[in-house]
Amino acid sequence: KAGVTQTPRYLIKTRGQQVTLSCSPISGHRSVSWYQQTPGQGLQFLFEYFSETQRNKGNFPGRFSGRQFSNSRSEMNVSTLELGDSALYLCASSLGAGRYGYTFGSGTRLTVV
Amino acid sequence: GQQLNQSPQSMFIQEGEDVSMNCTSSSIFNTWLWYKQDPGEGPVLLIALYKAGELTSNGRLTAQFGITRKDSFLNISASIPSDVGIYFCAGQVSGTYKYIFGTGTRLKVLA
Repeated sequence: KAGVTQTPRYLIKTRGQQVTLSCSPISGHRSVSWYQQTPGQGLQFLFEYFSETQRNKGNFPGRFSGRQFSNSRSEMNVSTLELGDSALYLCASSLGAGRYGYTFGSGTRLTVV
Repeated sequence: GQQLNQSPQSMFIQEGEDVSMNCTSSSIFNTWLWYKQDPGEGPVLLIALYKAGELTSNGRLTAQFGITRKDSFLNISASIPSDVGIYFCAGQVSGTYKYIFGTGTRLKVLA
């Protein structure tokens, strides 16, 4: 059974650009969450989607957005990139409400220069 | 952002020793999860805990859901070199689908 797939693995962008990251959850998983991981702030919750609806959102500016498609695949978008957006972005999927834990992908390493 | 207090931040131990780490919070959680992360990879779920007082094992790992629902503990017995990595706790905020992660415990095992 395939795990959570995130693409691309690595990305370098220039300040001011925008970026879209993709996540394909485990087959049958309908909940997808996104996290930002940095050395200074650890793992920070961005948002969670279930059946194409955003159910929870973390404390990030509106430049961070996401969506989920009918096949449960999810994308997150960051507009007007800042140097501080450099981080490992992790996607995680779960069957339902996440009560049984989330399975993480390997992440997308975003570097903003 | 919100985070759990996880301790210790890092630890060096000798192979074969037992390890203990814990997470505490001012908030009550419905579920506690423990993850391990290797360099360049996403966290991998080790143990999930669903009710106060619950004690669950996974091989050499044992975790407990604190009675107050505000803390959790992870023990690793007879550590081996492949236990090296960063261990995270995560708590599910009551009434939401959101998890808050601890700051991580970096474990280094000396052979």
